[in-house]
Amino acid sequence: EPEVTQTPSHQVTQMGQEVILRCVPISNHLYFYWYRQILGQKVEFLVSFYNNEISEKSEIFDDQFSVERPDGSNFTLKIRSTKLEDSAMYFCASRGGYSGNTIYFGEGSWLTVV
Amino acid sequence: GENVEQHPSTLSVQEGDSAVIKCTYSDSASNYFPWYKQELGKRPQLIIDIRSNVGEKKDQRIAVTLNKTAKHFSLHITETQPEDSAVYFCAAGVSSGGSYIPTFGRGTSLIVHP
Repeated sequence: EPEVTQTPSHQVTQMGQEVILRCVPISNHLYFYWYRQILGQKVEFLVSFYNNEISEKSEIFDDQFSVERPDGSNFTLKIRSTKLEDSAMYFCASRGGYSGNTIYFGEGSWLTVV
Repeated sequence: GENVEQHPSTLSVQEGDSAVIKCTYSDSASNYFPWYKQELGKRPQLIIDIRSNVGEKKDQRIAVTLNKTAKHFSLHITETQPEDSAVYFCAAGVSSGGSYIPTFGRGTSLIVHP
């Protein structure tokens, strides 16, 4: 079964550093998402992406965050200047399109900001 | 926007017992309600979903019920087994055209004791 893949699985970074989290969505999917899960808390929506542009974003997704689909397969989340409170599990997800609402999550990238 | 409340936060049962997890939502326009299971350190995975035109759906030992009037939906697991131990998340959202961004509940940690 096709899966969403994410790299790295775990990254430790110094406060103020830039981080790029990478994702390869399921190949024929049209909608892409980034979610965040702070330890022990709920899964929070960050941003959705469709047709090479952001379709929606939450208030969490401020100017420090950006997303990109640099080629036909990768989908990246960049955090420009990390803060301690950015420490969380970041899930990439994808969804097929009109015929399906099922969102498929990647394994997650655990970001620790020190 | 949508607000999803989920109860209980922790549920401990004996193997073979039933488990019920309840969620309420705020947006009456929400029409698609998935449930995800997240095992420790793994990605959330869809286990069952229900659309607003259906009141109940069953898949082997799991079932979901939806009360649109009261804006609540529940997950029922019968004959629980230790491998059912995980965090369960409900979600709600409006599926319209191609757009769908679910809001997740806080999660319920289900512990099944052998």
